[in-house]
Amino acid sequence: NAGVTQTPKFRVLKTGQSMTLLCAQDMNHEYMYWYRQDPGMGLRLIHYSVGEGTTAKGEVPDGYNVSRLKKQNFLLGLESAAPSQTSVYFCASGRNIQYFGAGTRLSVL
Amino acid sequence: DQQVKQNSPSLSVQEGRISILNCDYTNSMFDYFLWYKKYPAEGPTFLISISSIKDKNEDGRFTVFLNKSAKHLSLHIVPSQPGDSAVYFCAASALEEGAQKLVFGQGTRLTINP
Repeated sequence: NAGVTQTPKFRVLKTGQSMTLLCAQDMNHEYMYWYRQDPGMGLRLIHYSVGEGTTAKGEVPDGYNVSRLKKQNFLLGLESAAPSQTSVYFCASGRNIQYFGAGTRLSVL
Repeated sequence: DQQVKQNSPSLSVQEGRISILNCDYTNSMFDYFLWYKKYPAEGPTFLISISSIKDKNEDGRFTVFLNKSAKHLSLHIVPSQPGDSAVYFCAASALEEGAQKLVFGQGTRLTINP
């Protein structure tokens, strides 16, 4: 009963490097989301998807891209990482109630 | 422009007593409200929710109250237990562009003292 699985759990990048965060869910949810959480702040929505092949921008989309090629997977990409993208990233799936993964802690030096 | 606010960054309560966590919102379009609990190095875990057509929802030791006229939400935990020590986030959602988007408060760190 995995729920929402995020990989990797930790990553350190240098400014300008790229990476992809993977989110996988086994609950057959149509809706998937990517959030970031910064100290003293709540979770903020980066991008979301309402179904396979669809993506849309959230509150803080700049510097990120996403893809939803398969229903169970939602990928978050950073094309050219910046120190301002140092954060903890959470993936979630579900509609009214969202279920979260354990997070990816990313540091950009 | 913070649409969901938790004005208490931290709260300390004695074990066995009641914990009350508060949340205020500004957007009258929100129609569903949730509380999440978060332990360090883990993702938020859903705790309890309430629809805007209700004013109270109970689940075991947890009760959520909604006052729509005041745009205020509260979570009551009775009795409080040491395992309840965590950060609690309230969230509000509204249907927007085909998705039920959540807006989170900043969180309140609850510490239960033995």
